[in-house]
Amino acid sequence: DSGVTQTPKHLITATGQRVTLRCSPRSGDLSVYWYQQSLDQGLQFLIQYYNGEERAKGNILERFSAQQFPDLHSELNLSSLELGDSALYFCASSAGTGIHEQFFGPGTRLTVL
Amino acid sequence: AQTVTQSQPEMSVQEAETVTLSCTYDTSESDYYLFWYKQPPSRQMILVIRQEAYKQQNATENRFSVNFQKAAKSFSLKISDSQLGDAAMYFCAHADPSGGGADGLTFGKGTHLIIQP
Repeated sequence: DSGVTQTPKHLITATGQRVTLRCSPRSGDLSVYWYQQSLDQGLQFLIQYYNGEERAKGNILERFSAQQFPDLHSELNLSSLELGDSALYFCASSAGTGIHEQFFGPGTRLTVL
Repeated sequence: AQTVTQSQPEMSVQEAETVTLSCTYDTSESDYYLFWYKQPPSRQMILVIRQEAYKQQNATENRFSVNFQKAAKSFSLKISDSQLGDAAMYFCAHADPSGGGADGLTFGKGTHLIIQP
């Protein structure tokens, strides 16, 4: 158990819909990262937040957005869903900037029908 | 852009034997971090080992060790005394601390390790 929690574990929805994935980092960790794992693209970095502020963007689509709240939990919002958005979405956390040991949550499996 | 290449989609090893997984990367930075993550069938991503580029000594964690060749941009993982529980996908990853560590990890495509009993 990494100490990072993600909800829900599984999510099934239809094309065009919007979903929210939630992540609680390890106690004391200030950085949250979101990753997408799909058969086509492999593991891709989407976005990072540090202490409530957006820190870095990776290959995140404009239909996707995220935020980190004052209690440090984070949410990833996916809208206008397409079949190709079906993937495993991981959240990871680390203590802060300059420290790159990231601990991953169990992931949320998103299926878009 | 950073790239990480794992040239072995699948590897097989007999239980108790030693296996080496290959990884090469491309970066223009001199200071960076490298990692090996394990993903068993449960899909959980588990950190196996990490290496800071400024350290010349190869990292070791019990049966897991790395061969870090900075000039060649090579970062291989050696698993000694392979156990059935080592069966998993193994991902090599790179992180660049420029910008205060703002970047996420760049992953390779992974190597599927099979342990033959």
